[in-house]
Amino acid sequence: AQKITQTQPGMFVQEKEAVTLDCTYDTSDQSYGLFWYKQPSSGEMIFLIYQGSYDEQNATEGRYSLNFQKARKSANLVISASQLGDSAMYFCASRGLNTNAGKSTFGDGTTLTVKP
Amino acid sequence: DTAVSQTPKYLVTQMGNDKSIKCEQNLGHDTMYWYKQDSKKFLKIMFSYNNKELIINETVPNRFSPKSPDKAHLNLHINSLELGDSAVYFCASSQWGQGHTGELFFGEGSRLTVL
Repeated sequence: AQKITQTQPGMFVQEKEAVTLDCTYDTSDQSYGLFWYKQPSSGEMIFLIYQGSYDEQNATEGRYSLNFQKARKSANLVISASQLGDSAMYFCASRGLNTNAGKSTFGDGTTLTVKP
Repeated sequence: DTAVSQTPKYLVTQMGNDKSIKCEQNLGHDTMYWYKQDSKKFLKIMFSYNNKELIINETVPNRFSPKSPDKAHLNLHINSLELGDSAVYFCASSQWGQGHTGELFFGEGSRLTVL
């Protein structure tokens, strides 16, 4: 069983500043993956970044980085140099990796608004 | 070329009617999913198929019946629609195993409104 908690329903950030979106997880899987997805107001779901539970290095993808703290069971998304186009809803998700029957479980999301 | 495509994008229908949503992926993935996103934006998995075999069936009313004729297609049929079925339904695909992280590739969503 997996549970994802995103405690920030809404966040504001000034353009060009960095912002951290929080995510904590609870899983019974020994090996798991953590994901972040972006959903703009247009509605599509866009994959941003992935972190494996066995990865020692924090994942980075351009302006996105994942601050993975395994002992704390947290997988926070850091967006550097925020842009107006980053305004969207962001979902954290986890998936067990030991079986092809693993399903991605999503948090409730955080709405990020970037101010000019 | 769209990787995961679902049709129709919008459905507006009356209570009690039956409707279907179709999904196709051209990514060669083995696994396909249906997710439901409600009005509060909560995303919940409904079904998952791996190579045409049903592998995940969450607590979903049996009015919802998925069908996967081949691993590139996953359709969703809904009988006797109810007001609470109004939502956005996302189809997704992923590939699991060595060299793959299993991230989901989503379709654009199908917004179902039941009147």
